[in-house]
Amino acid sequence: GQQLNQSPQSMFIQEGEDVSMNCTSSSIFNTWLWYKQDPGEGPVLLIALYKAGELTSNGRLTAQFGITRKDSFLNISASIPSDVGIYFCAAKPGGSNYKLTFGKGTLLTVNP
Amino acid sequence: GAVVSQHPSRVICKSGTSVKIECRSLDFQATTMFWYRQFPKQSLMLMATSNEGSKATYEQGVEKDKFLINHASLTLSTLTVTSAHPEDSSFYICSATGTSGSDNEQFFGPGTRLTVL
Repeated sequence: GQQLNQSPQSMFIQEGEDVSMNCTSSSIFNTWLWYKQDPGEGPVLLIALYKAGELTSNGRLTAQFGITRKDSFLNISASIPSDVGIYFCAAKPGGSNYKLTFGKGTLLTVNP
Repeated sequence: GAVVSQHPSRVICKSGTSVKIECRSLDFQATTMFWYRQFPKQSLMLMATSNEGSKATYEQGVEKDKFLINHASLTLSTLTVTSAHPEDSSFYICSATGTSGSDNEQFFGPGTRLTVL
């Protein structure tokens, strides 16, 4: 089946540093999404990308939809302690297919 | 807007019993609901997709007779884990898509932690 390869698996950074994570796939997707999940909670949508090449920001977060439609990255600038959590990429083919495929997640730890 | 709730938030049950988990869209009509399972330190794995008023579509490897899904209204879907066993212990998360958001955006519930003793 379709898979998303998300890296890195985990990151340990100092407060104030920038962070970058990415997802790649062998399949084409028409929508890429980035979620954050806190322990014991459901995922919360951070950024949605709908067009190849699109670059979208949400505060300190920036994400891009790769031009080949097979990859996406998420950058977090000037990290703060509350950025701690698991970040998931997700993608869907589009059209009438609503199913989301999730990456394995990136565990982010921010040291104050 | 676009809030999805789940009940209960956590449940502990004995092996062999059945457990029902509710997923509700509070401020929009959910034409489609999804049920996911997440094991510790793992990603979300889609179990099934349900459309209001019709039978759920299960992913490969998910037993439909064990995980009963009922999407009886546009605001409620239920997942019943029948004859639960310890290996069914997991975090179950629902999501809903419908008359809110854009491009069939899925809104996720807060999850239900199931522990089977």
